[in-house]
Amino acid sequence: GNSVTQMEGPVTLSEEAFLTINCTYTATGYPSLFWYVQYPGEGLQLLLKATKADDKGSNKGFEATYRKETTSFHLEKGSVQVSDSAVYFCALTLASGGSYIPTFGRGTSLIVHP
Amino acid sequence: DAEITQSPRHKITETGRQVTLACHQTWNHNNMFWYRQDLGHGLRLIHYSYGVQDTNKGEVSDGYSVSRSNTEDLPLTLESAASSQTSVYFCASSERRHNEQFFGPGTRLTVL
Repeated sequence: GNSVTQMEGPVTLSEEAFLTINCTYTATGYPSLFWYVQYPGEGLQLLLKATKADDKGSNKGFEATYRKETTSFHLEKGSVQVSDSAVYFCALTLASGGSYIPTFGRGTSLIVHP
Repeated sequence: DAEITQSPRHKITETGRQVTLACHQTWNHNNMFWYRQDLGHGLRLIHYSYGVQDTNKGEVSDGYSVSRSNTEDLPLTLESAASSQTSVYFCASSERRHNEQFFGPGTRLTVL
């Protein structure tokens, strides 16, 4: 079946540091890829997405590139802020017999210190 | 503005009781999903629906049921609550099956 693997957290950074959260996937086919963010006490919200190979999703200074050759979708940000502290989820959606089954990674907690 | 709401936000119940969690969306999305979120497991899909009268089992459907009688609502029922069902439950919807999902704020359920 499909799966998404994220680096385990927590990731602890100082403000203005560079962020990378690794995400790799296993899927038979061509999935759509997503990063969601969850702030404390809230539901998930879409951060960015990419629907085909070599697409780059970007939003709020975050970027991720769909790499088919390495089956990866790593999240990056050049300079994190305290307000970026949250849990980040990598996810994919792929057709399977007429259904599109969403699959989520386990989430990576990011803590940014002033 | 369109939104997706869940109620109650917090619920404490006893083992063996039937519990129903409500999910209501005003996006007019055909696709709706229920997940549970537990530490160490991330999000796991319980049930999903692609439209009125359509329901499908997800990865962890045992002990749960859903019904879809209209576009806006997908209630989740725990037929006989167990302590293993203590979790945070999220409802989500999407415009197209392969698109991004919009999530509700969650319901924290405790089964004693």
